Amino acid sequence: GAVVSQHPSWVICKSGTSVKIECRSLDFQATTMFWYRQFPKQSLMLMATSNEGSKATYEQGVEKDKFLINHASLTLSTLTVTSAHPEDSSFYICSAHKGLAGGPSYEQYFGPGTRLTVT
Amino acid sequence: GQNIDQPTEMTATEGAIVQINCTYQTSGFNGLFWYQQHAGEAPTFLSYNVLDGLEEKGRFSSFLSRSKGYSYLLLKELQMKDSASYLCAVNDYKLSFGAGTTVTVRA
Repeated sequence: GAVVSQHPSWVICKSGTSVKIECRSLDFQATTMFWYRQFPKQSLMLMATSNEGSKATYEQGVEKDKFLINHASLTLSTLTVTSAHPEDSSFYICSAHKGLAGGPSYEQYFGPGTRLTVT
Repeated sequence: GQNIDQPTEMTATEGAIVQINCTYQTSGFNGLFWYQQHAGEAPTFLSYNVLDGLEEKGRFSSFLSRSKGYSYLLLKELQMKDSASYLCAVNDYKLSFGAGTTVTVRA
């Protein structure tokens, strides 16, 4: 199988604080992980692509200083939302790529998502 | 840029068939995915088409025409549990998603 976990599954934080979300591939090594954001009744929007041991590649319009991504090992990537504001409230989903780095994203497995609410 | 279109909502009766269309215009193409997503959950993989034609997998089938930039997902023998959002996603070494089609199955 290919199981991806996320922690926490939901979090409520106050405006101005930072929140860290973990994404783990439990039974395979993932050279590439992706971070998505999904607002209610909208589709998934790719935020960034994270490769193990190198800097993340952010999509246009995503603030790299606000959404810090670290991919320190082949099984763990973290997304830190810094100085969170209510507009950052969203469903954050990670996925892990099982194939070779830079290869087609055929074998991409999604985590269960993290619901972030900023008050 | 990427432009992926699918209908917003569809309603069908239990036991019926529903076809969800997806048209795309993307800068690159390495296949097309269909995912199912229940509210508040992550997407789950349904199908992947890279060549033209029909791929059948149980009650779900997916079709692709690369020349027309068109795909559809066919759901047969609808069940109440099939009520969900269905996402079309184009693979270009990263996934670009359509906005999703919410399917409601009524008894």
